[in-house]
Amino acid sequence: KAGVTQTPRYLIKTRGQQVTLSCSPISGHRSVSWYQQTPGQGLQFLFEYFSETQRNKGNFPGRFSGRQFSNSRSEMNVSTLELGDSALYLCASSPPLSGGEQFFGPGTRLTVL
Amino acid sequence: GEDVEQSLFLSVREGDSSVINCTYTDSSSTYLYWYKQEPGAGLQLLTYIFSNMDMKQDQRLTVLLNKKDKHLSLRIADTQTGDSAIYFCAESSGYALNFGKGTSLLVTP
Repeated sequence: KAGVTQTPRYLIKTRGQQVTLSCSPISGHRSVSWYQQTPGQGLQFLFEYFSETQRNKGNFPGRFSGRQFSNSRSEMNVSTLELGDSALYLCASSPPLSGGEQFFGPGTRLTVL
Repeated sequence: GEDVEQSLFLSVREGDSSVINCTYTDSSSTYLYWYKQEPGAGLQLLTYIFSNMDMKQDQRLTVLLNKKDKHLSLRIADTQTGDSAIYFCAESSGYALNFGKGTSLLVTP
C-alpha cells in the first residue's frame, strides 16, 4: 500500500504571497491531519479533516485554512505569508477504527523570504 | 495544550541499549506513541501503547509506561548507527497528537 504523499516537497515563496499544499492519504484512510514543524515550536497541530469536514482545529490564525475532497485528498492553504510561516508542513492520515495512530507523509518544506 | 517533556540529546555506543524517556501531563491520554524522524524525512510510527498496558515489546523496541508517574520510555536494544535520528514521544488527545520536542539520538561506532 502506498504511503502518504505530499506535493510539492519544497517551496520558496515571498512575504505576502499565498501557498497551497497537497496531501494524498493512504488508501482507505478518511481522516487527514496537518501539522507544522519548526525548530522553535516543534510539532503543532493545525487541523483535522474527516469526510470532507473539518472536525478539529489547532491554535493558528485564520490565514491557515484547509479542505478535504471526496476522495479524502486534502489541501491546506496559507495566505499572506509571513517569515514565521517557514516550516516543514506534515500531513498524516489515520485508518478507520484505529487507536488514533497517524501515518505521516514526508512533508513540504516551505521557505518564506 | 498539555506539555510532553523529553530530554534533548542522547549519545550511545553501537551495540549498547538506548533508553529515551518522556513525561506527559494529560492523564486522559488513551494511547501514547513513539515516532522516529530521520533528516529530511517525515515521521515514522515506531510503536504505540494503550494506556492500560505497562509494557509492550516489538522486536528490538520495548515501551514501558508508568501511568501513575505519567512516564513513558522507549528502549532500543542493540542500537545500530542506523538508529541515529530524532525520537518523538506523543500523546493522543482524541483527534490530535501532542508531541514532545524530540530526543536526538546519536549512535557512535
